[in-house]
Amino acid sequence: GESVGLHLPTLSVQEGDNSIINCAYSNSASDYFIWYKQESGKGPQFIIDIRSNMDKRQGQRVTVLLNKTVKHLSLQIAATQPGDSAVYFCAENAGGTSYGKLTFGQGTILTVHP
Amino acid sequence: KAGVTQTPRYLIKTRGQQVTLSCSPISGHRSVSWYQQTPGQGLQFLFEYFSETQRNKGNFPGRFSGRQFSNSRSEMNVSTLELGDSALYLCASSLLSGRSETQYFGPGTRLLVL
Repeated sequence: GESVGLHLPTLSVQEGDNSIINCAYSNSASDYFIWYKQESGKGPQFIIDIRSNMDKRQGQRVTVLLNKTVKHLSLQIAATQPGDSAVYFCAENAGGTSYGKLTFGQGTILTVHP
Repeated sequence: KAGVTQTPRYLIKTRGQQVTLSCSPISGHRSVSWYQQTPGQGLQFLFEYFSETQRNKGNFPGRFSGRQFSNSRSEMNVSTLELGDSALYLCASSLLSGRSETQYFGPGTRLLVL
């Protein structure tokens, strides 16, 4: 079945370090992937997305890498700041008639220490 | 441009009651998806509406229903509430309905069933 799982449930880094959050997905038909950030008491906030015809996409301080061979997705955050502390989710759309259905991973808690 | 809004933000109900949650999408967005978020199950897809039609439905019992109006606003209803329905209910909107449409989330409605 469809599932998206994260390797590490928690990640603790020092301010200024680079952070890498990983995600494994199981559905080889998935062709669209999104990273969201969720702060306490808020809804998920869009960070960056990538389509399956790409391997890498960069945003402001963030980079998403997609490895379709091993069905792995990662989010890299450069110069991590305390404001980056949150839960990070990867999500996938499994194609076919999935339309607006996103399947989410369990999330990784990122804690940034000043 | 205003984001996705959800009302009410907090709700307390008792078992057996029913509840209606409302979602107003980003202006111009025509697709609305609903998700349930719990600590145990994470983020799970409920259903998606586009042009007043349900395009996709998740694995939830028939007690969970929804609808979309001509102005794209959406409501979801949960009848005969159970304790396990306590959750954060999130609404997300996207411009169109499709596999590669970015979904933007609202702040959610926190439902507590006693």
